[in-house]
Amino acid sequence: AIQMTQSPSSLSASVGDRVTITCRASQGIRNDLGWYQQKPGKAPKLLIYAASNLQSGVPSRFSGSGSGTDFTLTISSLQPEDFATYYCLQDYIYPYTFGQGTKLEIK
Amino acid sequence: QVQLQQWGAGLLKPSETLSLTCSVYGGSFSGYYWSWIRQSPGEGLEWIGENNHNGGANYNPSLKSRVTISVDTSQNQFSLKLSSVTAADTAVYYCARVRYGSGSQMVMDVWGQGATVTVSS
Repeated sequence: AIQMTQSPSSLSASVGDRVTITCRASQGIRNDLGWYQQKPGKAPKLLIYAASNLQSGVPSRFSGSGSGTDFTLTISSLQPEDFATYYCLQDYIYPYTFGQGTKLEIK
Repeated sequence: QVQLQQWGAGLLKPSETLSLTCSVYGGSFSGYYWSWIRQSPGEGLEWIGENNHNGGANYNPSLKSRVTISVDTSQNQFSLKLSSVTAADTAVYYCARVRYGSGSQMVMDVWGQGATVTVSS
């Protein structure tokens, strides 16, 4: 199975900061990657699909980039509701696999 | 607006079969895949598998011998069965709608609320 490695595992930031989270695949996955946000006690929520496509209804401060093995999720200006855990998910090949998560906390 | 509502037994003994169902409200059932994902503290998020109304099932090889995802179009429901459970199957289980677009773009765009399943003797 493809391994997805996220960094950092946790991150402290302030409202208004620009934040970048990285996801690296153990082999090339084209642009078959999504980003999900999860808040405590809730299901994950889709933010980005196909590496760089913003899901309908998601604020434009979220953006994704990358192809092949290296991907990034950027939040341009953190808002209070953005403090959550973020996961990448590769859908290039079965079994689909998630990264271990990046917990974004308030500084 | 499409909603997924899931339910099933929350407490199982080792060797029993886990059974969860997810109902789809407010949207079309055909044209999508329907998936199950689980989350445990020790293992993070794990994709279990998916199926569609044509029986095109795909499963995680780590669970394949024990898992069945079935789709009932007449009831707008899909189900997960996982046999011979152990403590390692203790997790929160989520159902999700999967849409495949052009260029093999995949989205899990609608999720159920999650169901906690505990396996304990």
